Amino acid sequence: SQKIEQNSEALNIQEGKTATLTCNYTNYSPAYLQWYRQDPGRGPVFLLLIRENEKEKRKERLKVTFDTTLKQSLFHITASQPADSATYLCALEGKLIFGTGTRLQVFP
Amino acid sequence: EPEVTQTPSHQVTQMGQEVILRCVPISNHLYFYWYRQILGQKVEFLVSFYNNEISEKSEIFDDQFSVERPDGSNFTLKIRSTKLEDSAMYFCASSLGLSDNEQFFGPGTRLTVL
Repeated sequence: SQKIEQNSEALNIQEGKTATLTCNYTNYSPAYLQWYRQDPGRGPVFLLLIRENEKEKRKERLKVTFDTTLKQSLFHITASQPADSATYLCALEGKLIFGTGTRLQVFP
Repeated sequence: EPEVTQTPSHQVTQMGQEVILRCVPISNHLYFYWYRQILGQKVEFLVSFYNNEISEKSEIFDDQFSVERPDGSNFTLKIRSTKLEDSAMYFCASSLGLSDNEQFFGPGTRLTVL
């Protein structure tokens, strides 16, 4: 069955630095992959979608890459701010098979 | 900005009781979903619904679960006989289309089964 993994449960970085989160998947070739943000006690909020034929997608300070050979997506937040502190989830395709998430903490 | 709403925000029930969780998806959306998140665990897909029928369901969505769109606005999840392990946050989501469409999630209903 499809499996999706986010390589770290938690990531702590200093304000202003770039945060890089990793998502790996196996037993699947998704047509697209999505990234969501989840704050404690809240529902996930959509951030970015990247298709298999796209190498990179950007939105303001966010950048996502998609390497179908490595079966991996990287999610970058540049110039990170304390307000970026949340759990970030990657998800495969339509019915959204979610990873376990990476809890990002940005320290001032 | 349109949003998905869910009621109640918190439901406490006794084991074996039936519960109905309610959702109002975004009005022009066509696809509806239920997910659950057990405390400290990942968000898990339960079921997707389109054109008044289930389009896909996970192995979690067994005979104890059912979904319904009783009118033009509400989308409900019923758990027939709740178990302790059904305690979780249940999220409703909706999307305009099925493929490569972002899903909009509601705030969730926290279900506690005693």
